[in-house]
Amino acid sequence: NAGVTQTPKFQVLKTGQSMTLQCAQDMNHEYMSWYRQDPGMGLRLIHYSVGAGITDQGEVPNGYNVSRSTTEDFPLRLLSAAPSQTSVYFCATGTDNQPQHFGDGTRLSIL
Amino acid sequence: AQSVTQLGSHVSVSEGALVLLRCNYSSSVPPYLFWYVQYPNQGLQLLLKYTTGATLVKGINGFEAEFKKSETSFHLTKPSAHMSDAAEYFCAVRAGSNYQLIWGAGTKLIIKP
Repeated sequence: NAGVTQTPKFQVLKTGQSMTLQCAQDMNHEYMSWYRQDPGMGLRLIHYSVGAGITDQGEVPNGYNVSRSTTEDFPLRLLSAAPSQTSVYFCATGTDNQPQHFGDGTRLSIL
Repeated sequence: AQSVTQLGSHVSVSEGALVLLRCNYSSSVPPYLFWYVQYPNQGLQLLLKYTTGATLVKGINGFEAEFKKSETSFHLTKPSAHMSDAAEYFCAVRAGSNYQLIWGAGTKLIIKP
């Protein structure tokens, strides 16, 4: 039972490049979400989904897209990477529309 | 608007001593309150949560927290610290029908031998 799997674990991008951060879960949770974590700022919600086909914006959605075609997967797309998007990204799933299980994170650097 | 304040970015206690991590929140409606723990290079793990009912909530690893409405607080405690408790702890609040959690900035717990 893998729980929440995030790939890749590390990534370096150049400004302007695009990429997709993957998140997969095997717990059949309806709720999935993406956070970014920056030093001294706690976690900030980027996007979330309460079920397949349903997504909504969080606190800091600009520059990111998501889709939810299946219960299991919730990819996060960076459209045109900027240095301000250098961060650690966490995917989280849960029941009752709250995050309970987090992946181990993707450490992303934008040069 | 909701907000969460964690007092102290770093807290240091001796092994075996009481752990007290402070969390105060602001909310105009009855809140759901959460504590999460993050070990180095890992994701967060839910420690405990308060939704309704009993105001003293017990979580994993011997931690507990008490919801005090009059003080708008949800402090995390553990009677006796263990070296394995060294981690960063985050308090979060969810209020109303909005699914979003508002997070504190985190407190790093340091355990001295």
